[in-house]
Amino acid sequence: DQQVKQNSPSLSVQEGRISILNCDYTNSMFDYFLWYKKYPAEGPTFLISISSIKDKNEDGRFTVFLNKSAKHLSLHIVPSQPGDSAVYFCAASLWDKIIFGKGTRLHILP
Amino acid sequence: EPEVTQTPSHQVTQMGQEVILRCVPISNHLYFYWYRQILGQKVEFLVSFYNNEISEKSEIFDDQFSVERPDGSNFTLKIRSTKLEDSAMYFCASSSSSRGTNTIYFGEGSWLTVV
Repeated sequence: DQQVKQNSPSLSVQEGRISILNCDYTNSMFDYFLWYKKYPAEGPTFLISISSIKDKNEDGRFTVFLNKSAKHLSLHIVPSQPGDSAVYFCAASLWDKIIFGKGTRLHILP
Repeated sequence: EPEVTQTPSHQVTQMGQEVILRCVPISNHLYFYWYRQILGQKVEFLVSFYNNEISEKSEIFDDQFSVERPDGSNFTLKIRSTKLEDSAMYFCASSSSSRGTNTIYFGEGSWLTVV
């Protein structure tokens, strides 16, 4: 039961360009949405979150957009940097747990 | 910056053996979690723990699994009789609140290999 879906397993973006990572969800009860970044052999690191009552949240190079009617959110990274190469997990919060998507591997090309 | 620490970083165990994975959450946090990631798959929720009891658990968290906070600092995950399919990276996490913008911080993970 995939309540949080990341349909692109990988994405390659030129350094300096915008990276857009997409996520869809099915459960309208989710109240917060989060993005985590993960390097190999490390735990997920929190990047940015958005409340379900907002449609945009920005933090430096990272912006998350939420479209509740479409049950879709996206993470924009601009400009993309080499250190952004990692796996990005979309996640949604429901009471006492966070449900993760399968992740999208982002490659930043020189 | 405070962090969640986990031990061991890697453990190899025989099928059927008991395993205890240990975690020291961030000191002022009240909510504790275990997640796991089987190689090549997504990060999966196992259990959340608050006020010395399980607040939620997934279908993965069956009778073979248990959690405990034996003292004021450690949070442990015990797998009573390990199976091959328990091989995964297990992540401990903690947060100051169960909701939203109170960030969940993850440890580096404990890699369990069952042979």
